[in-house]
Amino acid sequence: GAGVSQTPSNKVTEKGKYVELRCDPISGHTALYWYRQSLGQGPEFLIYFQGTGAADDSGLPNDRFFAVRPEGSVSTLKIQRTERGDSAVYLCASSLGRGPLHFGNGTRLTVT
Amino acid sequence: AQKITQTQPGMFVQEKEAVTLDCTYDTSDQSYGLFWYKQPSSGEMIFLIYQGSYDEQNATEGRYSLNFQKARKSANLVISASQLGDSAMYFCAMRESPNYGGSQGNLIFGKGTKLSVKP
Repeated sequence: GAGVSQTPSNKVTEKGKYVELRCDPISGHTALYWYRQSLGQGPEFLIYFQGTGAADDSGLPNDRFFAVRPEGSVSTLKIQRTERGDSAVYLCASSLGRGPLHFGNGTRLTVT
Repeated sequence: AQKITQTQPGMFVQEKEAVTLDCTYDTSDQSYGLFWYKQPSSGEMIFLIYQGSYDEQNATEGRYSLNFQKARKSANLVISASQLGDSAMYFCAMRESPNYGGSQGNLIFGKGTKLSVKP
């Protein structure tokens, strides 16, 4: 079956602009996660949804970052007033029950 | 304090030999899960193996096995008969779950170990 799909695969934006990153999880997976991975580092947790609600948003670095999952399926990560330090690969994952996380291929965000 | 520690930034192994990638973790919970992921240069994160804190036997999946030593809080990954395609970053991760069967919780990742398999 289809895996986790993330779009776009690459995004280049100017400092100060607003961006949206989309994640389409595996069908039926109730949990959805966003991570950020900088070069040479492990994935850093941002936010986790159980259904439509954010069960844990403790990893969001500041109020420029926001994520939604209005219908309990597709999620959008929104970044306002982007900064060069936001450049990273943004990974989305989904899981069913207590099973492993299944990751998408990520969106590489470059802020110039 | 770091929750997941991977002390080997890089490892080399000869093709067809076995290699152990180290992982130690820190938690005060009794119920938790330990995971290993592989990330090739293409960037995808591939789930390899899982060990639950209550599992009495070490997990195995094909050429992968997890050497789980609960008292030492270590969960080392052993790859047997290394292949050139095993060259990648390997990440250890932990999910804490204070209430077994309750909240799924997120995974906390280590910094990773870069494995290079030599022909």
